[in-house]
Amino acid sequence: DIVMTQSPDSLPVSLGERATINCKSSQSVLYNSNNKNYLAWYQQKPGQPPKLLIYWASTREAGVPDRFSGSGSETDFTLTISSLQAEDVAVYYCLHYYRTPPYTFGQGTKLEI
Amino acid sequence: QVQLVESGGGAVQPGRSLRLSCAASGFTFSSYAMHWVRQTPGKGLEWVALIWFDGTNEYYADSVKGRFIISRDNSKNTLYLQMNGLTAADTAVYYCARDPSATGIDAFDIWGQGTMVTVSS
Repeated sequence: DIVMTQSPDSLPVSLGERATINCKSSQSVLYNSNNKNYLAWYQQKPGQPPKLLIYWASTREAGVPDRFSGSGSETDFTLTISSLQAEDVAVYYCLHYYRTPPYTFGQGTKLEI
Repeated sequence: QVQLVESGGGAVQPGRSLRLSCAASGFTFSSYAMHWVRQTPGKGLEWVALIWFDGTNEYYADSVKGRFIISRDNSKNTLYLQMNGLTAADTAVYYCARDPSATGIDAFDIWGQGTMVTVSS
């Protein structure tokens, strides 16, 4: 099974600053036949379900502010929030959905002001 | 609007069974693969099971294989999770989530609000 490891576990950031969260997979999630990375990022606020932010590693979901961006390929991925807003305080998870299950989430990164 | 609503959670003793439901609305349910994902209190997310759009294929996490059964009734726009042989380790909030693809090869884009399952004697 593919293991997803996020870093850091907790990230204190000031308002207006850039936040960077990393996700590493134990094997490549790049499917060479379509050149897509099967990697998504989610935001979860207390008492709410996860919300999809980024899919295919770098495609922003409709309605997601453009301060959120995803990058990376194969085994190393990054979620960047360019200028942190108060409403961005949440836990962020990466997910691989490469080919066939089981799919796995990273352990989560808690973003704090 | 597009919506998923889970139900059926509650408190149950170890070894007993429970069936969760997920009612879908606002989209053509029969065209989409569906997942169950759980989250233990204060912990992270664990993918539990996947079922294809037409119910012909199912996949399970090792932690639930042989105990849980995912199914769907496309005529009722409803997804199910039959949970047997429950243990304390199954205590979690259970979410249903839509997959934009028919066979579970895309990021989960729509999530329900979740239903809590507590396994305790």
